[in-house]
Amino acid sequence: SYDLTQPPSVSVSPGQTASITCSGDKLGGKYACWYQQRPGQSPMLLIYQDTKRPSGIPERFSGSNSGNTATLTISGTQAMDEADYHCQAWDGSTGVFGTGTTVTVL
Amino acid sequence: QVQLQESGPGLVKPSGTLSLTCVVSGGSISSSNWWTWVRQPPGKGLEWIGEIYHTGSTNYNPSLKSRVTISIDKSKSQVSLKLSSVTAADTAVYYCARINDILTGRPFDCWGQGALVTVSS
Repeated sequence: SYDLTQPPSVSVSPGQTASITCSGDKLGGKYACWYQQRPGQSPMLLIYQDTKRPSGIPERFSGSNSGNTATLTISGTQAMDEADYHCQAWDGSTGVFGTGTTVTVL
Repeated sequence: QVQLQESGPGLVKPSGTLSLTCVVSGGSISSSNWWTWVRQPPGKGLEWIGEIYHTGSTNYNPSLKSRVTISIDKSKSQVSLKLSSVTAADTAVYYCARINDILTGRPFDCWGQGALVTVSS
């Protein structure tokens, strides 16, 4: 099976930049998506096709994908960005989610 | 604005069958999108269960394939999930979501609020 690995947690100070990685074999050859899940809420699409933001998603969220690693970057992190973040990709016709990362804004 | 609403029993006995329904409103269930189920055990990450197209075509997570059936009822605009032979490990919040096939990378762009299912005697 195909696995996507994320760090369990990332801490960031308000206004600083947070980077969350998602590692998988040849992930750069697939398209990565990112989802934000605030406590008690459903996931929400943040990034698709590695770098694209749906309408309404702030510009401070950006993505990249190369080699074996996709990265979600939060620039100018705000308190409201404290949440779980999940990467996701397709391995053929099978959907795969990453292990999830909790972002804490200290 | 498409909305998804999951419903079903919140408690299922071990070895029984979990059954959930997702009603699609605000848009056509027969549009060029796939409909999918994702689950999240308490305190854990997301797990993809499977997907269905309005034609009835399905794809399942290989780890669950022997126990999962996803079906679609276009007349009721709903997608259903059945998971058989459940154990405590199947306790989770189950989400229904839309896969946007128009966007490259097939993102999950619309999610229901989720339904908590507990497996316990």
